[in-house]
This record gives sequence, structure tokens and C-alpha cells, in this order.
Amino acid sequence: EPEVTQTPSHQVTQMGQEVILRCVPISNHLYFYWYRQILGQKVEFLVSFYNNEISEKSEIFDDQFSVERPDGSNFTLKIRSTKLEDSAMYFCASSLRGNVLTFGAGSRLTVL
Amino acid sequence: TQLLEQSPQFLSIQEGENLTVYCNSSSVFSSLQWYRQEPGEGPVLLVTVVTGGEVKKLKRLTFQFGDARKDSSLHITAAQPGDTGLYLCAGPNAGGTSYGKLTFGQGTILTVHP
Repeated sequence: EPEVTQTPSHQVTQMGQEVILRCVPISNHLYFYWYRQILGQKVEFLVSFYNNEISEKSEIFDDQFSVERPDGSNFTLKIRSTKLEDSAMYFCASSLRGNVLTFGAGSRLTVL
Repeated sequence: TQLLEQSPQFLSIQEGENLTVYCNSSSVFSSLQWYRQEPGEGPVLLVTVVTGGEVKKLKRLTFQFGDARKDSSLHITAAQPGDTGLYLCAGPNAGGTSYGKLTFGQGTILTVHP
């Protein structure tokens, strides 16, 4: 069964460092998303991406965050200067029509 | 902002028992989804309910969407240890342009003891 793959599974970084989280969505999907889940809190929407541009973003997704689809297969989330409060599980998801999402297993980010 | 509240937050039962998990909101949702998440994995979609009053069955799992489309329930019959996991409800944000902009409940952690 097709799946969304995310790398790395766990990244530890120092505050202020840049981090790139990578995702390979399902190959024929057109809509791409990033969500995050801080430990003990709800899963939160960060950003949606369609037709090579951001279609929607939450208030969490400030100037420190960016997304890219550099080629036909990868979808990345970059955090420019990480803060302690960025520590969370980051989930990538993709969808064919924008209604049914398939989530990856997540990348755990720990900022020290 | 639309909120989804799930109850109970924790549920610990014996194998063979029945259980119901609730997902409530003061807002109307065009649809609601139920996901199951296991440790180290992302949420996996179980079902989407769309029509008010709709009931969907998935083997021992029964999902219901409230008539007013403000609430949903998940009922598991004769729970098994394999049902253990985090159950999440989610719905598309009415203010969003993207159907994939989901609002999640806080989840119900279910533990089924053999």
C-alpha cells in the first residue's frame, strides 16, 4: 500500500539552528500538508500546499517556517532558527483530492 | 475557531467489553473523520462521516454522526487488545479554504487488557 515517508524519524538540534524535515508524499497525490503535535497536545495544522504554492497556513506558520517541493517527489519543511517550543512531532500528509489525508509516521524534533 | 472535544481522555477496559468514545463541538462540521494512531506512527484514517445522522460500520466499530453535525461517536463492540491505541476525531475547518485543514480533538487513549 502506498505510504508517506518522512525523514529523519528523530532529530535533535540546538536552539537557533536550522532544521529541514523531509517528506516523500504518495506519488500521484496533489495536496500536501504539514501538521505538528506537541507532546500532550492536539495535532495542529501548519500549512497546506497545492499547485506549487501555499494554499493555507496557520498562525503558527510564521516567517521562521517555509515549505518547498524542490522536485517531483520531495516536500520539505524548514525551520530557520529553532526555538525550544518548536520541539514536537511533525507529520507530513498528502491527498489526491484534498479530502482524504494519508499521514506519514512523523519526525520527532527535539530542540535543546 | 472550531473546537472538537473528545471524551473520555483515557479508557482502560477488559477484552470483550464494549465502549463508546465521544467527539463534541458547538460548531457544525461538514464532515468528521475518525483516526487511529499507534505509538511511533501517524494517524490512520478509519472513516469519514458526512451526512447528519449517518451510521457507518467497520467490523466491530460503529461510527455515528449527530443529526446536527456537531458531534460524533465511535462504538467498539467486544474490544480486543489489538484495538489499543489513540483514537482521534477531526473535521475540516469551516473558515479554511483547504479541506485538508483539519481541526483535531485531543484524542482518547484506549487500553484493552487481555
